[in-house]
Amino acid sequence: EAEVAQSPRYKITEKSQAVAFWCDPISGHATLYWYRQILGQGPELLVQFQDESVVDDSQLPKDRFSAERLKGVDSTLKIQPAELGDSAMYLCASSSTFGGTNEKLFFGSGTQLSVL
Amino acid sequence: SQQGEEDPQALSIQEGENATMNCSYKTSINNLQWYRQNSGRGLVHLILIRSNEREKHSGRLRVTLDTSKKSSSLLITASRAADTASYFCAFTGGGNKLTFGTGTQLKVEL
Repeated sequence: EAEVAQSPRYKITEKSQAVAFWCDPISGHATLYWYRQILGQGPELLVQFQDESVVDDSQLPKDRFSAERLKGVDSTLKIQPAELGDSAMYLCASSSTFGGTNEKLFFGSGTQLSVL
Repeated sequence: SQQGEEDPQALSIQEGENATMNCSYKTSINNLQWYRQNSGRGLVHLILIRSNEREKHSGRLRVTLDTSKKSSSLLITASRAADTASYFCAFTGGGNKLTFGTGTQLKVEL
């Protein structure tokens, strides 16, 4: 069964350093999402792409976070500089059509980020 | 950001018992979904119920939706140790953004 691939699985970094996460959605899925999940809470949407276009980045801290999906396939999420409060699980998900109204999301295994 | 509220936050039961978890939300919704998350892993979709449906079944899962009370419940019957996980409701209201609840941690003991 097709899966959403994410790497790295774990990342430990020091504050003020730059970190990057990579995601490869299920082939053919036009919509890609990056979520952040703090321990003990539900995921919160950071950014949503439809093909290569950003359709929602209202919760993305744009002073330090950036995301791109240049060819409308895989995506990279970057944090620069990392802060202690960025420690969390970063989840990538994809769906086959635009939006979450009627479509289930397929999630990757996530990247667990620890900022020291 | 607004999230759905789930209760209980944590639930511990014996294998074979039923587990019920509840989700409340504040906006009008199009549909509501339930996801499961094993510790340290990604989320897996379980079931989707549309706003015009009141109840839906899938295997040992039963989901109800009461739009007048803005609430949903997930029932897992005859629970197994392998059901141990966190369970999240998720909904879309007024747009295509999927908002997740705070989650219920279920522990099924042998």
